[in-house]
Amino acid sequence: AQSVTQPDIHITVSEGASLELRCNYSYGATPYLFWYVQSPGQGLQLLLKYFSGDTLVQGIKGFEAEFKRSQSSFNLRKPSVHWSDAAEYFCAVAGAGGGADGLTFGKGTHLIIQP
Amino acid sequence: NAGVTQTPKFRVLKTGQSMTLLCAQDMNHEYMYWYRQDPGMGLRLIHYSVGEGTTAKGEVPDGYNVSRLKKQNFLLGLESAAPSQTSVYFCASSSYEGGYNEQFFGPGTRLTVL
Repeated sequence: AQSVTQPDIHITVSEGASLELRCNYSYGATPYLFWYVQSPGQGLQLLLKYFSGDTLVQGIKGFEAEFKRSQSSFNLRKPSVHWSDAAEYFCAVAGAGGGADGLTFGKGTHLIIQP
Repeated sequence: NAGVTQTPKFRVLKTGQSMTLLCAQDMNHEYMYWYRQDPGMGLRLIHYSVGEGTTAKGEVPDGYNVSRLKKQNFLLGLESAAPSQTSVYFCASSSYEGGYNEQFFGPGTRLTVL
């Protein structure tokens, strides 16, 4: 079975500063990896995904993530955050079915943006 | 397109009462899912369906039942609600395209069991 760890429960970043949210996964083969964002009171929106090919993937809203097999990591980055980026961020993993039998989510990282 | 919709948005139940949460999608997706979200726990899969008439258990299925009688609808039932089922419930749907399933989420149903 796969699992996901997001080590940081809360992160505070100043507006305009760079951001990195950490995600570590456990899965025996090449995983399918996703980052989702949840604004307060809303559902989840997909930011980006990885399942093969280039290990640096670009997503929406200026986010990117890098898959590092040797570190079992899929960290999310943004060069300059905006106040509207304040939200909950979830990393998720899927196994061989690519998510057909559901996703396994991390516990989330709450991002706070300081003015 | 409305995407994924959930009914109701909020509900308060007393212990032992029953209710059904409705999820509807208009994207002609084969796959549908029910997750629950609890503080500090992320989202956990309750049940899922890979097609009309089929359902399967996820990580936390106890106390819930589901039905997928129509392709566009996925119902989650609580036969005898317990306070431990107080949570926010999210429905999602997906299709298998490009080698993976991108799940689209509904806005959630906030359920409180007293």
